[in-house]
Amino acid sequence: AQSVTQLGSHVSVSEGALVLLRCNYSSSVPPYLFWYVQYPNQGLQLLLKYTTGATLVKGINGFEAEFKKSETSFHLTKPSAHMSDAAEYFCAVSDSPTGGSYIPTFGRGTSLIVHP
Amino acid sequence: KAGVTQTPRYLIKTRGQQVTLSCSPISGHRSVSWYQQTPGQGLQFLFEYFSETQRNKGNFPGRFSGRQFSNSRSEMNVSTLELGDSALYLCASSSGSARETQYFGPGTRLLVL
Repeated sequence: AQSVTQLGSHVSVSEGALVLLRCNYSSSVPPYLFWYVQYPNQGLQLLLKYTTGATLVKGINGFEAEFKKSETSFHLTKPSAHMSDAAEYFCAVSDSPTGGSYIPTFGRGTSLIVHP
Repeated sequence: KAGVTQTPRYLIKTRGQQVTLSCSPISGHRSVSWYQQTPGQGLQFLFEYFSETQRNKGNFPGRFSGRQFSNSRSEMNVSTLELGDSALYLCASSSGSARETQYFGPGTRLLVL
């Protein structure tokens, strides 16, 4: 069974500072890993995903994440935070298909707060 | 390509009523999944449809049902609404070539009074 743990329900950074959102997963097989962002009253937008190949994945809006199998982690980073990055971030994992589908399991989310 | 669309965006209902939500997937996507998002429970999987057939189902009571049409559009229905059904309902679609990746719509915010 797959599971996701996002460390820290809230992360606060200053504008221009490094953003680091942590995600650890549990999976019995090589996983697919995702980060989504959700702005208030909106749906989830795919930031980036790891499926196979290069372990450092670049996404939209300057975000990137690194898949570390030995640490079962997929932390999200951005070198310099912008005010517009303030949102809820969700890490998700899916591994074995069920009935032909990959149903992701989501973490509880991390709210990123950016201070001027 | 247009993204996933959901209608309506907001709904207010009273206990005991029923509600139908609609979702149109990205063109060419045949899989549609539904999720319930609440502050207390987070994102919970409701069900998934593919080619008009329910392929997977989450752990929700039978009051929650869905269907998919031949054009891949999907509806979900909640009967006998309860206060606890107040949530953001999200629809997601995925393609056959990248089944592992889901693309989400903006959601329908349901408030049950």
